[in-house]
Amino acid sequence: ELKVEQNPLFLSMQEGKNYTIYCNYSTTSDRLYWYRQDPGKSLESLFVLLSNGAVKQEGRLMASLDTKARLSTLHITAAVHDLSATYFCAVRPTSGTYKYIFGTGTRLKVLA
Amino acid sequence: DAGVIQSPRHEVTEMGQEVTLRCKPISGHDYLFWYRQTMMRGLELLIYFNNNVPIDDSGMPEDRFSAKMPNASFSTLKIQPSEPRDSAVYFCAVRRADYGYTFGSGTRLTVV
Repeated sequence: ELKVEQNPLFLSMQEGKNYTIYCNYSTTSDRLYWYRQDPGKSLESLFVLLSNGAVKQEGRLMASLDTKARLSTLHITAAVHDLSATYFCAVRPTSGTYKYIFGTGTRLKVLA
Repeated sequence: DAGVIQSPRHEVTEMGQEVTLRCKPISGHDYLFWYRQTMMRGLELLIYFNNNVPIDDSGMPEDRFSAKMPNASFSTLKIQPSEPRDSAVYFCAVRRADYGYTFGSGTRLTVV
């Protein structure tokens, strides 16, 4: 059974600091997605990572994928309050199914 | 651009009543998914459709839950009879090639 684990589950950080969220998965996958969810809102797509070594950046967020290690990271640079949200990774198994498996989510709170 | 419209946004109902949640994907999708989100269990996939045909309903918790997709532009998730433990946010999502899922705004269901 495919498992997707994120850590940390909760993250409280000061503005201006850097931090990394980790997403580990237990089986082969050919693509990985990162989503953001604000409280009471829907999930918004952030990044799609389609191959080993893929790196995507948008503003203060940078995502990378290492398919050999079955690991993706979401790095936050110089955090600002607006980044406070819950971040999910989702994995598509290489079995061809479109049944993506979501991680548990990381709740990020950036303190002013 | 594929988008997803869900209705109602909020639903409060009494235990034992029938509840119908609606989803209207706009265009450009081939897969449609129903998810349930709670604090305790996170995001759970309930059922998904491919070209309007149900592919995997193994996540549907009980026979009280049913879903239909009569055409590419409409899907329903029905709970009959509803119970307090069904209280959650229900999301409809569609797959966009290489972009992962696009989620609807969700329906917050409260069963009292």
